[in-house]
Amino acid sequence: SQTIHQWPATLVQPVGSPLSLECTVEGTSNPNLYWYRQAAGRGLQLLFYSVGIGQISSEVPQNLSASRPQDRQFILSSKKLLLSDSGFYLCAWSSGLSSYNEQFFGPGTRLTVL
Amino acid sequence: KNEVEQSPQNLTAQEGEFITINCSYSVGISALHWLQQHPGGGIVSLFMLSSGKKKHGRLIATINIQEKHSSLHITASHPRDSAVYICAGQRGGSNYKLTFGKGTLLTVNP
Repeated sequence: SQTIHQWPATLVQPVGSPLSLECTVEGTSNPNLYWYRQAAGRGLQLLFYSVGIGQISSEVPQNLSASRPQDRQFILSSKKLLLSDSGFYLCAWSSGLSSYNEQFFGPGTRLTVL
Repeated sequence: KNEVEQSPQNLTAQEGEFITINCSYSVGISALHWLQQHPGGGIVSLFMLSSGKKKHGRLIATINIQEKHSSLHITASHPRDSAVYICAGQRGGSNYKLTFGKGTLLTVNP
């Protein structure tokens, strides 16, 4: 069966510090991968998605970036965090085999920028 | 106008009640996802449907393509059903992007 892992689970970082969140998927090949953010009191927002290694599409201009160095690894990064980067970050995957697929979410990382 | 609108925003029920959460969506959305977010933040996919009706246990999801409307029903509700329920629309031809509703906070009291 497929599983999705995210780490760390929680993170407290000062403004201006770098960020690296990691997501890995097991039990599937060539997944579509997604990064979402849920800010306090707000809905889910798609940040990045990837359909293959090295292929990243950005949905929202910001100081975040994403990379996919391996088929089942997706990394969210920032060189300098802002207060507004605080939120709950979720990684998700879906099968790339058909047009409409369920998305399966990781446990999330709760980021607080102070 | 948001592409995906959910109602109600908050819903409180007594254990055993039948619950309905509604979702309306705009032209161009071809599939609807229903998600459940637990108090700790974890999200579980409940259904994805582009036509008709799906059932899983006490949960039923329906979609009316002509009216661009979907409903999530919970029969015999239980306190453990308390969560935020989110509908999300997926556009035709797009394998990737979901547009999310703002969620419905359901509280089921014993």
